[in-house]
Amino acid sequence: QVQLVQSGTEVKKPGASVKVSCKASGYTFTTYTMHWVRQAPGQRLEWLGWINAGNGNTKYSQKFQGRVTFTTDTSASTAYMELSSLRSEDTAVYYCARSPYAQSPIDSWGQGTLVTVSS
Amino acid sequence: QPVLTQSSSASASLGSSVKLTCTLSSGHSSYIIAWHQQQPGKAPRYLMKLEDSGSYNKVSGVPDRFSGSSSGADRYLTISNLQFEDEADYYCETWDSNTHVFGTGTKVTVL
Repeated sequence: QVQLVQSGTEVKKPGASVKVSCKASGYTFTTYTMHWVRQAPGQRLEWLGWINAGNGNTKYSQKFQGRVTFTTDTSASTAYMELSSLRSEDTAVYYCARSPYAQSPIDSWGQGTLVTVSS
Repeated sequence: QPVLTQSSSASASLGSSVKLTCTLSSGHSSYIIAWHQQQPGKAPRYLMKLEDSGSYNKVSGVPDRFSGSSSGADRYLTISNLQFEDEADYYCETWDSNTHVFGTGTKVTVL
């Protein structure tokens, strides 16, 4: 079965960067698109962007453009999300989630990674 | 870009039905959406894809009491024979060539 297993909880200081990993199994990693979505405490889901795991193409939400970077290691079937210049408002649970194509619904979610930004 | 509007909460008695609405913004009434369920403290779970025609594709394992329908810019998720495990937040999702967007979510309470 499809599994997306994310790295553990992170605590960072303002101004630092965080890198979250998402290891995929149960399907061919390179034939899907990986999205990153976050959820601040008590808030709605917020889309950060996607990466085509086959060719590495990316699309970032304008809100995060310049501050977020998606990469993949296809040999390890793992996707990464790095967010820089962290501020307290970035405190959230970050999810990786896959879809068959960039313009198709998300059909599977990781378990989430809590990132806390605090001085 | 499209915007999705959902009511903040809905409640119904155990064993009854509840119908959730997700409304697409002007100019986007033909868009396909997806419904996701998020139980307390858990990651979201994809339930189904729903087209403007009302045709929907449910994920394997989603109970038959979950169904979708459409009317104009409105997309619906109906939960029949409501169970306590259906108590959750429900989000709709849509997309275009530049973005994916989520609705504000509807919190369903089972009385």
